[in-house]
Amino acid sequence: NAGVTQTPKFQVLKTGQSMTLQCAQDMNHNSMYWYRQDPGMGLRLIYYSASEGTTDKGEVPNGYNVSRLNKREFSLRLESAAPSQTSVYFCASSAAAGRGPSETQYFGPGTRLLVL
Amino acid sequence: GEDVEQSLFLSVREGDSSVINCTYTDSSSTYLYWYKQEPGAGLQLLTYIFSNMDMKQDQRLTVLLNKKDKHLSLRIADTQTGDSAIYFCAESYSNTDKLIFGTGTRLQVFP
Repeated sequence: NAGVTQTPKFQVLKTGQSMTLQCAQDMNHNSMYWYRQDPGMGLRLIYYSASEGTTDKGEVPNGYNVSRLNKREFSLRLESAAPSQTSVYFCASSAAAGRGPSETQYFGPGTRLLVL
Repeated sequence: GEDVEQSLFLSVREGDSSVINCTYTDSSSTYLYWYKQEPGAGLQLLTYIFSNMDMKQDQRLTVLLNKKDKHLSLRIADTQTGDSAIYFCAESYSNTDKLIFGTGTRLQVFP
């Protein structure tokens, strides 16, 4: 049981390049999330998916797209990277859309992205 | 809008107690959470408290909730160097399964 896995761990991009961050969970969770973490700003939600086949914008969706490929996988795409997207990106999953401890989110180890 | 606030830094001596504070805004939050992030790692759930509780104790951790003031605190007894990390509080967002995280408090424990 690996929990939440993310690839790659590190990436350096030039401005304008594109890339996809991969996330997978093996806990049979319904909901998955993408966050970015910047110094002094905590975690900000980019997109989330409450179930397979659905995605919704979070707090900071501009410049990103997502795909919920199946129940296990949720990818984040940067079509044209900008220096402002330099950040640490975390994927998370939770058991169900609803109240209670099922809200508990389990996090991957993060992807450190530098855009030059 | 929803906002969760924490102080950015806390420094304590090994063996002392640490108290990390958090204020939140959504009074409809059913659960409030504390997560820990060690260097270079993702967030791990430490504990959570149901909104109709005032206190929850779990070994060295004590969570206090003041709903009237929308204030949440995490007390770590007998703080150890391994407790050095960033601590995030989080509230659920408008009765959804989304969480709003605070900015995080960096706890440094010195000998």
